[in-house]
Amino acid sequence: DQQVKQNSPSLSVQEGRISILNCDYTNSMFDYFLWYKKYPAEGPTFLISISSIKDKNEDGRFTVFLNKSAKHLSLHIVPSQPGDSAVYFCAASAGAGSYQLTFGKGTKLSVIP
Amino acid sequence: DGGITQSPKYLFRKEGQNVTLSCEQNLNHDAMYWYRQDPGQGLRLIYYSQIVNDFQKGDIAEGYSVSREKKESFPLTVTSAQKNPTAFYLCASSKGDRVTGELFFGEGSRLTVL
Repeated sequence: DQQVKQNSPSLSVQEGRISILNCDYTNSMFDYFLWYKKYPAEGPTFLISISSIKDKNEDGRFTVFLNKSAKHLSLHIVPSQPGDSAVYFCAASAGAGSYQLTFGKGTKLSVIP
Repeated sequence: DGGITQSPKYLFRKEGQNVTLSCEQNLNHDAMYWYRQDPGQGLRLIYYSQIVNDFQKGDIAEGYSVSREKKESFPLTVTSAQKNPTAFYLCASSKGDRVTGELFFGEGSRLTVL
């Protein structure tokens, strides 16, 4: 039973355009959400996060939107750059006392120059 | 530089052999984790440790063992009981405060069983 779903295995976007990566979750106990970026043969690196008390968090070119009623979040990258080409993982955490993150399967983003 | 060091980067093992993956961090983080990644899959939690001399099973702990004798070190042993050990293994750490959930990952160890 997958609690965090990234239904698009891959996405291709032209350089300079917007990239939108989507994530759905089923566990209503999740209250903190994170995006990680991963290059091949490397460990993931933290990108941006959002608490369930917010519906938007922005950091430079990256913005995460959270729709709690739909149990859906999205990561927007504007403008997309070739260096953004990587696998993006959505992750969720349930409660301040939880040490466990549940990850989605990832979406491979390719930004075409 | 502060960070997490995993070794070896590549490891080959014959069936029936145990193998230990090393993970060291100098970030002074209290919590450490082991994740496994398979092709086309998300990261799945094997074990985690909140403090020294304490650890808990994650979602897929069967066939694995860990120890946490020092704050800096969290080695993972893949035993012969693990049915499908070939995978990419990632070690991570975080500050004790889990509110943010941010993990810092090592570069990973790729284990191949021959």
